[in-house]
Amino acid sequence: QVQLQESGPGLVKPSQTLSLTCSVSGGSISSGGYYWSWLRQPAGEGLEWIGRVDTSGSTNYNPSLKSRVSISVDTSKNQFSLKLTSVTAADTAVYFCARHPITVGVDAFDIWGQGTMVTVSS
Amino acid sequence: QPVLTQPPSASASLGASVTLTCTLSSGYSDYKVDWYQHRPGKGPRFVMRVGTGGIVGYKGDGIPDRFSVLGSGLNRNLTIKNIQEEDESDYHCGTDHGSGSNFVWVFGGGTKLTVL
Repeated sequence: QVQLQESGPGLVKPSQTLSLTCSVSGGSISSGGYYWSWLRQPAGEGLEWIGRVDTSGSTNYNPSLKSRVSISVDTSKNQFSLKLTSVTAADTAVYFCARHPITVGVDAFDIWGQGTMVTVSS
Repeated sequence: QPVLTQPPSASASLGASVTLTCTLSSGYSDYKVDWYQHRPGKGPRFVMRVGTGGIVGYKGDGIPDRFSVLGSGLNRNLTIKNIQEEDESDYHCGTDHGSGSNFVWVFGGGTKLTVL
């Protein structure tokens, strides 16, 4: 059973870069057939999709965050990563990694990490 | 891009039924929507996808038969019958839109379901 686990600093200073990693276990990210996404949920708000990467490194980003986001994949380490630059308090949220199939069928997010809380504060 | 509207809260008594609503913005009546159950401290869990014809594809792993969906017009609703304590969760609906550099997933604000 594939599992995802987020890791990274829980506290980031304003204007700095938020960096998180999602480690994939129970399966190889290189096997293909999936997009690997980052999402977040600020307290009291809904989910926000940040962006995704496939195993070739091709990415899509939420237009609202595109200028500050970079998502990459490291197949040798079986993980993918998020970098969000110039953070402010508005970026404080629980961050999730998740995967969804590349398919013409049901391509919903089928596996999620448990989430990691990131606070932006000096 | 579409906007999904969900009421912030809902409640139902143990053993009763409840319908959680998710409404698409005007002009997106052909869109399908995914429902996710989200318990505190865990990642969301896929429930099922709904279009105007009802469920699309399959239910998520371990989702009981008590969960069903109905789609009509701009509404993509999730109904839970015979509510159990373990159904108390946040429920999110989401959909994807666009392609290429304009691709995006969008979600509603989520509904917190309380079991009384």
